[in-house]
Amino acid sequence: NAGVTQTPKFRILKIGQSMTLQCTQDMNHNYMYWYRQDPGMGLKLIYYSVGAGITDKGEVPNGYNVSRSTTEDFPLRLELAAPSQTSVYFCASLGDRGFNGYTFGSGTRLTVV
Amino acid sequence: RKEVEQDPGPFNVPEGATVAFNCTYSNSASQSFFWYRQDCRKEPKLLMSVYSSGNEDGRFTAQLNRASQYISLLIRDSKLSDSATYLCVVTPPGFQKLVFGTGTRLLVSP
Repeated sequence: NAGVTQTPKFRILKIGQSMTLQCTQDMNHNYMYWYRQDPGMGLKLIYYSVGAGITDKGEVPNGYNVSRSTTEDFPLRLELAAPSQTSVYFCASLGDRGFNGYTFGSGTRLTVV
Repeated sequence: RKEVEQDPGPFNVPEGATVAFNCTYSNSASQSFFWYRQDCRKEPKLLMSVYSSGNEDGRFTAQLNRASQYISLLIRDSKLSDSATYLCVVTPPGFQKLVFGTGTRLLVSP
């Protein structure tokens, strides 16, 4: 049982480039989330989804887009990378009853230069 | 007022010490409560859920006080491997989203 899988683990982008961070879960969870964590700071919610075809903005959505075409996948798209998007990105999923908390992926470390 | 507040620390303790962290939450109707542990440059991992009656897992004890809206985590006989950031996490009512505190850093020294 893989849980939540994120790819890539590391990436360096140049300013203005685009990329997609992949997130897949095999627990049949309806709820999925994207967070970013800057050095020494807490987690900030970027986007979330409560099921296939449904997405909504979190605290810091600017510069990002998401889609949720299947229950398993929740990719995060950066269209025009900026240095301010240098961060660690975590994907997470949550079971419907929420009693067991989030399961996190291992993160993607992104540097924009 | 933040939804979840924690003392950022760091808490510096010697091995074998007992250390306690507190966390307060603003929404009295919050439903579920958790402590997560985050090691440096790693993803947060669930340490334990927190129940109204209090619960214990080995050296770790979690308590919930709904009347005062705070959650506590007690670590007994601290180990070097307990050094990490401990995140207090709350589920607000009506929506399946966890709200994270900014974390309390613990440093256990020999």
